Amino acid sequence: ETGVTQTPRHLVMGMTNKKSLKCEQHLGHNAMYWYKQSAKKPLELMFVYNFKEQTENNSVPSRFSPECPNSSHLFLHLHTLQPEDSALYLCASSPTFGSLGETQYFGPGTRLLVL
Amino acid sequence: KNEVEQSPQNLTAQEGEFITINCSYSVGISALHWLQQHPGGGIVSLFMLSSGKKKHGRLIATINIQEKHSSLHITASHPRDSAVYICAVVGSNTGNQFYFGTGTSLTVIP
Repeated sequence: ETGVTQTPRHLVMGMTNKKSLKCEQHLGHNAMYWYKQSAKKPLELMFVYNFKEQTENNSVPSRFSPECPNSSHLFLHLHTLQPEDSALYLCASSPTFGSLGETQYFGPGTRLLVL
Repeated sequence: KNEVEQSPQNLTAQEGEFITINCSYSVGISALHWLQQHPGGGIVSLFMLSSGKKKHGRLIATINIQEKHSSLHITASHPRDSAVYICAVVGSNTGNQFYFGTGTSLTVIP
């Protein structure tokens, strides 16, 4: 039990669909992250929220829209995605987004396929 | 070129063998993480290092800051150790930017 849950675990969507990924953590952490993991590529950090405020946005296309309503929940809203967006999307949390690189706790991921 | 390089990319070992996975990085760091990813996707953090050596069960992680190199060792390997092992560093001059290696896929055969 990692303490970080993600739903759905698998998602197939067409390029014109709108869907949302959900992440929830019960660890009392204040920082939450979205990562993208494509085959044969390093993990890519997409978004960071610290105390519900977005602190990082690594040049992610606007078809990905994050939302952090509180410290325990993080969403990734998806619209008009492309087939190359098919990947594993991982959520993580840590106590804070601090200078010592605190240990992050990862969820199981959502496997996304865009057709 | 990726800021974090891991070797080997793929590794197959017999049960009981001693395993070493290497990580080299090119940026100044405040910390280095070793992560384990099992089939299905979930990632578990194994170690966070900023200097020296840490040990947890059969796993040992070392880091040499001067040489910008870290190693993950697995003693008496077991099939349940089969996973992808990812090295990640936190840049010290880049606003806590995380850099990830592409991972080492380990298969331990009974």
